[in-house]
Amino acid sequence: RKEVEQDPGPFNVPEGATVAFNCTYSNSASQSFFWYRQDCRKEPKLLMSVYSSGNEDGRFTAQLNRASQYISLLIRDSKLSDSATYLCVVNTGSNSGYALNFGKGTSLLVTP
Amino acid sequence: SAVISQKPSRDICQRGTSLTIQCQVDSQVTMMFWYRQQPGQSLTLIATANQGSEATYESGFVIDKFPISRPNLTFSTLTVSNMSPEDSSIYLCSVLEPERSYEQYFGPGTRLTVT
Repeated sequence: RKEVEQDPGPFNVPEGATVAFNCTYSNSASQSFFWYRQDCRKEPKLLMSVYSSGNEDGRFTAQLNRASQYISLLIRDSKLSDSATYLCVVNTGSNSGYALNFGKGTSLLVTP
Repeated sequence: SAVISQKPSRDICQRGTSLTIQCQVDSQVTMMFWYRQQPGQSLTLIATANQGSEATYESGFVIDKFPISRPNLTFSTLTVSNMSPEDSSIYLCSVLEPERSYEQYFGPGTRLTVT
């Protein structure tokens, strides 16, 4: 089983729609969680960290469910500029160590 | 966050040759990494670049093929040696900011094509 699994999509949604991505991870000892955004032919850029209590940044909301070992990303009021690949990233390092595992990404296409 | 630059941004190389990629950071960082992203795939960690000592390589990557230097806290190089078409990929340098809950930032990448 892969460390981090995501639905590759693509998710095609109209502008203004709400879309949600899920990501599951296999290591229950995982320490920290992130969502990255990667535009075509560009480097990944940190979108947001995911905290245990959940967190929101504008139109983006991230949730963590440790019991079920998944994290989610919700995008409200989708914009054309949200079209990108969204990477789920999990730090599986233990004892304050560090081992980032990247999902393969979920592609989002927002259409007019 | 740290600003990271890489050189070259892209290159086309012949098989059997070697290419050295440079990564420069605008501030001192403890942890630097080199990743590879092959077409349609996610990122794969090649190695952790350790300042003043040998890099720590992940399974499947060896020093003879991917020698790494880290002479100081702001600079690192990755060499792709004796290239084959299978080495065609994007190579990314990244830095980690432990004080920011382990948020990681990436350079713009080097797009390598081996013919």
